Amino acid sequence: GAGVSQSPRYKVAKRGQDVALRCDPISGHVSLFWYQQALGQGPEFLTYFQNEAQLDKSGLPSDRFFAERPEGSVSTLKIQRTQQEDSAVYLCASSSRSLGGLNTEAFFGQGTRLTVV
Amino acid sequence: AQSVTQPDIHITVSEGASLELRCNYSYGATPYLFWYVQSPGQGLQLLLKYFSGDTLVQGIKGFEAEFKRSQSSFNLRKPSVHWSDAAEYFCAVVADTGRRALTFGSGTRLQVQP
Repeated sequence: GAGVSQSPRYKVAKRGQDVALRCDPISGHVSLFWYQQALGQGPEFLTYFQNEAQLDKSGLPSDRFFAERPEGSVSTLKIQRTQQEDSAVYLCASSSRSLGGLNTEAFFGQGTRLTVV
Repeated sequence: AQSVTQPDIHITVSEGASLELRCNYSYGATPYLFWYVQSPGQGLQLLLKYFSGDTLVQGIKGFEAEFKRSQSSFNLRKPSVHWSDAAEYFCAVVADTGRRALTFGSGTRLQVQP
């Protein structure tokens, strides 16, 4: 596609509910990142994929968070048993180079705003 | 661990005035530095980046930034601000080894007065 697409744009979940957030990166982009952006804060790294391999998941805040990218394109971030502190904007970014492509730009999606009530 | 500090949470400038947004980083080796802009409801857009070489880098939309190693700073500047520049600005750093993820500052919200 023309850009990174994320869906849904908005999600309201009841506490304890499971949610799945989808990211469609730019076609052919090797690297994919997930970030969490709390209100009034900068984005914080969650996890990184190179193709289908999850090379870094050190930013995932708990074992309730799980991400996958089974075919090396679309990625899904799943949050189980959501808590109020999970309320945030979840951003996905992709870039064309491997290992995050320091010399290439990471393109960000518009994000999914998750509100846990 | 690397970190980024943006001391100004909120800045208001008049249209046509100059702008400087501050960014300080903490990282032992040579950092790779970025400035992103986020408009309401929009994703992050890269304004400019510094990897090496000339310490004054030019970006899109008339922005520039200067890397000062002695001050651990990477301040963003624009000589004349336009109303459309109102947005949230984030400074970010990435390590040159291992983890490739960006570490962001907490952002500076820019308001432009007519």
